[in-house]
Amino acid sequence: DAGVTQSPTHLIKTRGQQVTLRCSPKSGHDTVSWYQQALGQGPQFIFQYYEEEERQRGNFPDRFSGHQFPNYSSELNVNALLLGDSALYLCASSSLQRYEQYFGPGTRLTVT
Amino acid sequence: AQKVTQAQTEISVVEKEDVTLDCVYETRDTTYYLFWYKQPPSGELVFLIRRNSFDEQNEISGRYSWNFQKSTSSFNFTITASQVVDSAVYFCALSEAGYSTLTFGKGTMLLVSP
Repeated sequence: DAGVTQSPTHLIKTRGQQVTLRCSPKSGHDTVSWYQQALGQGPQFIFQYYEEEERQRGNFPDRFSGHQFPNYSSELNVNALLLGDSALYLCASSSLQRYEQYFGPGTRLTVT
Repeated sequence: AQKVTQAQTEISVVEKEDVTLDCVYETRDTTYYLFWYKQPPSGELVFLIRRNSFDEQNEISGRYSWNFQKSTSSFNFTITASQVVDSAVYFCALSEAGYSTLTFGKGTMLLVSP
């Protein structure tokens, strides 16, 4: 039973560029959430997708957008990258009826 | 608004010592869920336990135990006879009923030395 997978593992981008991160949920899960974890901090909720719609959104600017595909996989897009966007981006999947979220290994984004 | 506070930034112990990680939460909801996650150096968050607000029974799983007290809004985590492999950052988190999104504390880094 495959867990949550994310790609790429690491990414280096320049300020102003755009980036797309990808996530495949755990088998049987239909809900995907994205979190940003800055160094030394706890993860911060970005948004959650269910049935290809954004269900909830945290306090992040519109530069952060996402998408969920019919197979439940998801993408996180960040436009006009800032130095402050450097962080570990975590994807978590869950079933809407249950509250445990299972996390992927994360994508480490560095903006220079 | 929800809030989770983990006042201990870093704890260092020697192997076989018992250690308790503190977690205090704030929420206006009467139904909510509390979690603990472990984050080893690899970065992946590992789910340890979920507790709902109606179940104050303490739970034990091997060397791990959890003490949930609604009266003090605390959900503390104890590791008995700590081992080097327990070294990690531990996060306490909270979610409201109806939503699975998590509000995390800032984490406690546990260092277990041999």
